[in-house]
Amino acid sequence: GAGVSQSPRYKVAKRGQDVALRCDPISGHVSLFWYQQALGQGPEFLTYFQNEAQLDKSGLPSDRFFAERPEGSVSTLKIQRTQQEDSAVYLCASSFRGGEKLFFGSGTQLSVL
Amino acid sequence: DAKTTQPPSMDCAEGRAANLPCNHSTISGNEYVYWYRQIHSQGPQYIIHGLKNNETNEMASLIITEDRKSSTLILPHATLRDTAVYYCIVESGNTGKLIFGQGTTLQVKP
Repeated sequence: GAGVSQSPRYKVAKRGQDVALRCDPISGHVSLFWYQQALGQGPEFLTYFQNEAQLDKSGLPSDRFFAERPEGSVSTLKIQRTQQEDSAVYLCASSFRGGEKLFFGSGTQLSVL
Repeated sequence: DAKTTQPPSMDCAEGRAANLPCNHSTISGNEYVYWYRQIHSQGPQYIIHGLKNNETNEMASLIITEDRKSSTLILPHATLRDTAVYYCIVESGNTGKLIFGQGTTLQVKP
């Protein structure tokens, strides 16, 4: 595709519900990143993939957060038993290879009620 | 934690140059200076990056001091569409992992 695509654009979840956020990176991009952005704050790193390998998950806030990229292209960020503090915009970014500029999607805005 | 310091906000008149400063006094020899911007309701967008030399592209110019402890992003003729949050980031160039700070909110006024 022309850019990084994220779906859904908006997600409303009830507290305790599980959610899955999808990211389609630019075709051929090896590196994929997930970020969390709270209102009025800069994006915060969650996790990083190189192809299908998750090389860094140091930013995941708890074991309720899980990310995968099984075939080295599409990635899914899953949040189990959502809490109100999980409300944020979740951004996905990809790059052709490590160390190159990132291309970001428009994000998924998650609201937990 | 972010390794850069930026002013929280700046104003600029439309058509004038916008000069956005950034301090990165603890930058390592192998770390690049990257600039991204984020327009409301969009993901961050890459602007420019550099290591030691000044850089220019179609969007902006990047001036890095000789000691590499600070830099300035220059938008030569700011337009209303340049209103955004501008992030200055240092990154080693190995993985591309970016650590964002609070950035500078640039307001371009007519």
